[in-house]
Amino acid sequence: GAVVSQHPSRVICKSGTSVKIECRSLDFQATTMFWYRQFPKQSLMLMATSNEGSKATYEQGVEKDKFLINHASLTLSTLTVTSAHPEDSSFYICSASTSGRGETQYFGPGTRLLVL
Amino acid sequence: SQQGEEDPQALSIQEGENATMNCSYKTSINNLQWYRQNSGRGLVHLILIRSNEREKHSGRLRVTLDTSKKSSSLLITASRAADTASYFCATTSVGNQFYFGTGTSLTVIP
Repeated sequence: GAVVSQHPSRVICKSGTSVKIECRSLDFQATTMFWYRQFPKQSLMLMATSNEGSKATYEQGVEKDKFLINHASLTLSTLTVTSAHPEDSSFYICSASTSGRGETQYFGPGTRLLVL
Repeated sequence: SQQGEEDPQALSIQEGENATMNCSYKTSINNLQWYRQNSGRGLVHLILIRSNEREKHSGRLRVTLDTSKKSSSLLITASRAADTASYFCATTSVGNQFYFGTGTSLTVIP
């Protein structure tokens, strides 16, 4: 149980294009979903927290117009990297929780984004 | 800044030995969690320990929490090559801030 999927697993795009990443909880309803980014050999940095049907809460320093998050249902959240640039290249990981951020989070396998 | 600092950054041991990783944090917490990440993959939740707990076990894993020292340790007993991964602590502060630690890269040599 508690499986979270992400799609795509890898994406390569040209600078200036937008990329959408999907995060789905497959066998449970996720009250809250989280988006992280991780640079090589570094820890995860929380980008934003999203609750179904409401606006996402972004961490300090994360541009909400750059990283659009939609949490349309209890099983799906999307992250859109708008007008991507090479510095946006990273590993993006989502997680889902049946309660808040302080409880157990179930992680997706991650999406590796490379912007050329 | 990140909440948790982990020590050591990297650890290499022989199969069968025990591995101990430490996590120190800065502010009061509600709970602390340990996660494991295989290279290039998502994270797997290992254990959650609450601020009023001192020790927890799960299979070969033993986690301790010392809130007076603001530190936690993860012990993996009788390590296996398959335990090779990065291990992260994550804290939920009293103010509901959530941070991952810097991580420990564990290599278990067969």
